[in-house]
Amino acid sequence: EDQVTQSPEALRLQEGESSSLNCSYTVSGLRGLFWYRQDPGKGPEFLFTLYSAGEEKEKERLKATLTKKESFLHITAPKPEDSATYLCAVQVGYALNFGKGTSLLVTP
Amino acid sequence: ETGVTQTPRHLVMGMTNKKSLKCEQHLGHNAMYWYKQSAKKPLELMFVYSLEERVENNSVPSRFSPECPNSSHLFLHLHTLQPEDSALYLCASSQEVKDQPQHFGDGTRLSIL
Repeated sequence: EDQVTQSPEALRLQEGESSSLNCSYTVSGLRGLFWYRQDPGKGPEFLFTLYSAGEEKEKERLKATLTKKESFLHITAPKPEDSATYLCAVQVGYALNFGKGTSLLVTP
Repeated sequence: ETGVTQTPRHLVMGMTNKKSLKCEQHLGHNAMYWYKQSAKKPLELMFVYSLEERVENNSVPSRFSPECPNSSHLFLHLHTLQPEDSALYLCASSQEVKDQPQHFGDGTRLSIL
């Protein structure tokens, strides 16, 4: 069964303290892995798409990487405005299969 | 107006009521989706439409009835809902059905009394 598992479930960082979020997946024939950010009361906001192992994408303080079994979202020197839930998803047929997300809190 | 717009943002209804959720996308996309997001659970795909034709129905109870009159509008008609249907209902769109990424609206927060 296709599955997406994210860890940790919650993460608290001090401003400037870099860390990584993990997304492990089991899917036959990966057609794309996606990272979204979701703020409270809002819909998911698209961040990155990764298609093949070794691929990397960057946006401001965020960098996403992909291996054959997992993806990492690296957050460098985070700021309080980076606080959100980060969702990982893999494409399966027409749909995106999402993980439960990592809730990130960055304190000043 | 740009992006994906959902109305209403909040809805409280009794189990015997009938209501509808509306989604409109201004991105020129051909595919639209309904997802359900419950607390502590991953987003669950409910329905997929491509150019007004339903292409996937993910074993959703018949008390949820989707309608897609054109490629810009999507509705979810609700009737005789159960308390476990309380959730955030998200609409998304993409250029084509197998084209990603999907762009999401901000959802309708539904509470069933």
